[in-house]
Amino acid sequence: GAGVSQSPSNKVTEKGKDVELRCDPISGHTALYWYRQRLGQGLEFLIYFQGNSAPDKSGLPSDRFSAERTGESVSTLTIQRTQQEDSAVYLCASSLEPSMREQYFGPGTRLTVT
Amino acid sequence: SQKIEQNSEALNIQEGKTATLTCNYTNYSPAYLQWYRQDPGRGPVFLLLIRENEKEKRKERLKVTFDTTLKQSLFHITASQPADSATYLCALGASGGGADGLTFGKGTHLIIQP
Repeated sequence: GAGVSQSPSNKVTEKGKDVELRCDPISGHTALYWYRQRLGQGLEFLIYFQGNSAPDKSGLPSDRFSAERTGESVSTLTIQRTQQEDSAVYLCASSLEPSMREQYFGPGTRLTVT
Repeated sequence: SQKIEQNSEALNIQEGKTATLTCNYTNYSPAYLQWYRQDPGRGPVFLLLIRENEKEKRKERLKVTFDTTLKQSLFHITASQPADSATYLCALGASGGGADGLTFGKGTHLIIQP
């Protein structure tokens, strides 16, 4: 079956513009995570969705970041008024349920803010 | 605060030898620990999970140990091959799973030389 997909694979934007990143999780996976990975750094948790529960937004670095998920399917991560420090790879992962704990990652979106 | 330490320097191992990677943590009592492999430009791929009450886990040429007293996990690849060259990430998990369930280290870059 298909894995986690993300689009676009690369995005170059000007400082101050808004960007929207998309994640299609594995069908049937109820848990969905967004991470940020700066060059040479570890994964930084951003936000978590589980079923129809309210998302855990505790990892979002500022109010310029927001995310939505429609049911147990597609999720979009939006960054408003992008800054150069937002440049990173944004990774999405899904899991069958949180207790399964094994996360399946997409290929990521490389965001470059100029 | 929680801290996960993995060797930041690349680890060079000769083909056929056993590669051993270290993950140390402080200020944390994880319920489980995971190891992921990440290739350049790709998302992490799950390899192994070991729970706090387990000392050792094996999967083909991979072996993971978990010492909650030393607060350390060792990840071994036996009979290493050039194809094993990648960055290996250690991730610690809380018992509740979900958003606070997984904290990643920065990873160790492993190079298997033919």
